[in-house]
Amino acid sequence: DVKVTQSSRYLVKRTGEKVFLECVQDMDHENMFWYRQDPGLGLRLIYFSYDVKMKEKGDIPEGYSVSREKKERFSLILESASTNQTSMYLCASSYSGNTEAFFGQGTRLTVV
Amino acid sequence: QQQVKQSPQSLIVQKGGISIINCAYENTAFDYFPWYQQFPGKGPALLIAIRPDVSEKKEGRFTISFNKSAKQFSLHIMDSQPGDSATYFCAASKGAGNMLTFGGGTRLMVKP
Repeated sequence: DVKVTQSSRYLVKRTGEKVFLECVQDMDHENMFWYRQDPGLGLRLIYFSYDVKMKEKGDIPEGYSVSREKKERFSLILESASTNQTSMYLCASSYSGNTEAFFGQGTRLTVV
Repeated sequence: QQQVKQSPQSLIVQKGGISIINCAYENTAFDYFPWYQQFPGKGPALLIAIRPDVSEKKEGRFTISFNKSAKQFSLHIMDSQPGDSATYFCAASKGAGNMLTFGGGTRLMVKP
């Protein structure tokens, strides 16, 4: 079974803190993604990585950065957390091409 | 600007009925159209997917209908069961990057 594991299920952080969300996949997938899920808006792509150290901005990259130093690990960084970044964050991975994306269980982040 | 529009936002169906969820897209470069199913507390999981060279794909009780000229596609769930109660997302992507653009989601409740 493919596993995409996100390091935390729930996080509460203060405004202005630097926040790290970690994601690990065990299927040797080339592609990794970070999405944000908000009610009524579906999932919106924050960043995408197609290889180690490679990244592309998604639809809503402002306020976020990413790091992929190893193929299996993809980190999302909130440089200075703000209350409008309170959301559910989902990591996903897939092989290259239009194939099934596998999602982690999500991290519910609350910024107070 | 939402490139994939999904309706309805919520749907209540009696057990044994047909659930129908519709999506419309704008970008004619999209060439892969998956549907994802999400249960509470879980990440989305691929349910069924279609490519634009076919007009219909069926897997068990789940069918995707695809209308390329109208830029619309829909999910039909036949003989809906309470276990189908979940949130459903349509999505679209293009090219090798597999960056999915999601609709806003439909919360389906199937009443016993």
